[in-house]
Amino acid sequence: KQEVTQIPAALSVPEGENLVLNCSFTDSAIYNLQWFRQDPGKGLTSLLLIQSSQREQTSGRLNASLDKSSGRSTLYIAASQPGDSATYLCAVPGAFYKLSFGAGTTVTVRA
Amino acid sequence: GAVVSQHPSWVICKSGTSVKIECRSLDFQATTMFWYRQFPKQSLMLMATSNEGSKATYEQGVEKDKFLINHASLTLSTLTVTSAHPEDSSFYICSAREIGGRETQYFGPGTRLLVL
Repeated sequence: KQEVTQIPAALSVPEGENLVLNCSFTDSAIYNLQWFRQDPGKGLTSLLLIQSSQREQTSGRLNASLDKSSGRSTLYIAASQPGDSATYLCAVPGAFYKLSFGAGTTVTVRA
Repeated sequence: GAVVSQHPSWVICKSGTSVKIECRSLDFQATTMFWYRQFPKQSLMLMATSNEGSKATYEQGVEKDKFLINHASLTLSTLTVTSAHPEDSSFYICSAREIGGRETQYFGPGTRLLVL
């Protein structure tokens, strides 16, 4: 069974600092990995999807890398802003497209 | 972009009553929808997979008689929590996978259920 782990569980940084969020998974036979953002009491917003053939994916200040062989992905957020405060979840699909989620990293960006 | 809606967004009910939650794909057809629940400060746990025109597939430990799922059309799936109890209070989120689309699942905004 796929196990997804996210470290750290929480992160607090001053505005402007770069954020590094880690995600690891036990079964490297994945065909993609997805990063989501969740605001308190809200649903999920998809941030980036990396295909297994890709090593990284970028969208604005966000950059996600994927190393399938080591079972790791990292989400980088450059020049953090208070509006980046949220919980970030990574997820990998398994059989029948079922997603396995990590527990998330809760980010607080202090103004 | 693809949009998934859920209704209601909030529901408070008495113990013993049943609650229905709707999940709709607004601008695409979804052959498969997924139902998750999320407890405070925890991640999402998949409850069941809903396929249009067939019975839902439940994850281990999820009572199918308690959480009734119906996927009557390619744009609508419903989750009914039957005889709800306080321990069923949670945040329920659905997602939808577009027919012939990429592997991305599109998530609804969630439904907060509070059982008194």
